[in-house]
Amino acid sequence: AQSVAQPEDQVNVAEGNPLTVKCTYSVSGNPYLFWYVQYPNRGLQFLLKYITGDNLVKGSYGFEAEFNKSQTSFHLKKPSALVSDSALYFCAVRDMDSNYQLIWGAGTKLIIKP
Amino acid sequence: GAGVSQTPSNKVTEKGKYVELRCDPISGHTALYWYRQSLGQGPEFLIYFQGTGAADDSGLPNDRFFAVRPEGSVSTLKIQRTERGDSAVYLCASSFGQGGLGETQYFGPGTRLLVL
Repeated sequence: AQSVAQPEDQVNVAEGNPLTVKCTYSVSGNPYLFWYVQYPNRGLQFLLKYITGDNLVKGSYGFEAEFNKSQTSFHLKKPSALVSDSALYFCAVRDMDSNYQLIWGAGTKLIIKP
Repeated sequence: GAGVSQTPSNKVTEKGKYVELRCDPISGHTALYWYRQSLGQGPEFLIYFQGTGAADDSGLPNDRFFAVRPEGSVSTLKIQRTERGDSAVYLCASSFGQGGLGETQYFGPGTRLLVL
């Protein structure tokens, strides 16, 4: 069965430092990977996705993610964190066996301290 | 253009009552999805519409849950005989296309349902 793991419930980073939010996945076919961000009392906002091609994907707000097939990972990164990046981040995956469903991780709370 | 909108933003009801949650997708998006999100968890798929028809309703937890999209635009999620365990944030998303694997789903702000 398809699954997504976000091993860290919370990540704390000082403003200006690089940040990484981890995501690993398990699917039987080729993965289609997504990152979303959720601010308090707001819906999920799309950040970026990997479908095929370059392993490094660039997205909104300066975020990027690296697809690593051998490690089945899709970690979210940003070179220099902002306090406004503090939010809940979700990784999600689809493949041929998941039909139309996005399979979601449990989320990682990112806290950027000034 | 406008994003996905959902009404109401909050709904408080009593156990056993019937509720309807509405979703208005992005104009021109033919694919529409409903998810449910409980506190501290990722969203859980409920149902997917392509046009007017439910192409995948495998996520609906039981027959108390039903959703319609009669004209291929606005969708209504209906919950009968609500239970306290139905309390969650109900999210709607839409995408432009046939629900393909690489399509980006755009989410509304959600409806927070509380069943007392």
